[in-house]
Amino acid sequence: GQNIDQPTEMTATEGAIVQINCTYQTSGFNGLFWYQQHAGEAPTFLSYNVLDGLEEKGRFSSFLSRSKGYSYLLLKELQMKDSASYLCAVSPPGGGNKLTFGTGTQLKVEL
Amino acid sequence: DSGVTQTPKHLITATGQRVTLRCSPRSGDLSVYWYQQSLDQGLQFLIHYYNGEERAKGNILERFSAQQFPDLHSELNLSSLELGDSALYFCASSLAGGPTDTQYFGPGTRLTVL
Repeated sequence: GQNIDQPTEMTATEGAIVQINCTYQTSGFNGLFWYQQHAGEAPTFLSYNVLDGLEEKGRFSSFLSRSKGYSYLLLKELQMKDSASYLCAVSPPGGGNKLTFGTGTQLKVEL
Repeated sequence: DSGVTQTPKHLITATGQRVTLRCSPRSGDLSVYWYQQSLDQGLQFLIHYYNGEERAKGNILERFSAQQFPDLHSELNLSSLELGDSALYFCASSLAGGPTDTQYFGPGTRLTVL
């Protein structure tokens, strides 16, 4: 099965950079997704990594190390609207695509 | 707006009752997924349908069932409801059903069981 760990909460300042870590233990692996979720709303897709390295998308970047079972999401030039929960999810091997989500990191951006 | 629609937005019912949640995927998507999100459990995968056929099951209770219709919309049926079934139920869709497909989530149905 899969086990995913993320910090529960983080606080950062507007305009700063924050890194949200995710570690996973899995018997197989087909990629790692990051989603953003504002309270009571739908998760919104941010990024997908399947190979080692950094994927950059505007203010958001995501990094993956498969050998270490480790990923991070990097948010630059933080804005107040970035206050949300950030969910790390692993796509398991085999057929289908039943994502296993971590419990999420609640990010609070302060002035 | 992801293009995935879900109805109703809110549902309040009593224990022992049965409800049906509905989901329409994004145009062109063949796969539909159902997830449950409660405060203490996080986002939990329930079931995946691809082009009308069940593809994968998670920890879905026997009291819960789902189906995907020929027009690709899906329904999740919850019966003999218990207080603990109160949660946000999300539907997601993807183009195919492979492990690298991005899933796009609908706005969810908030179920409250009293």
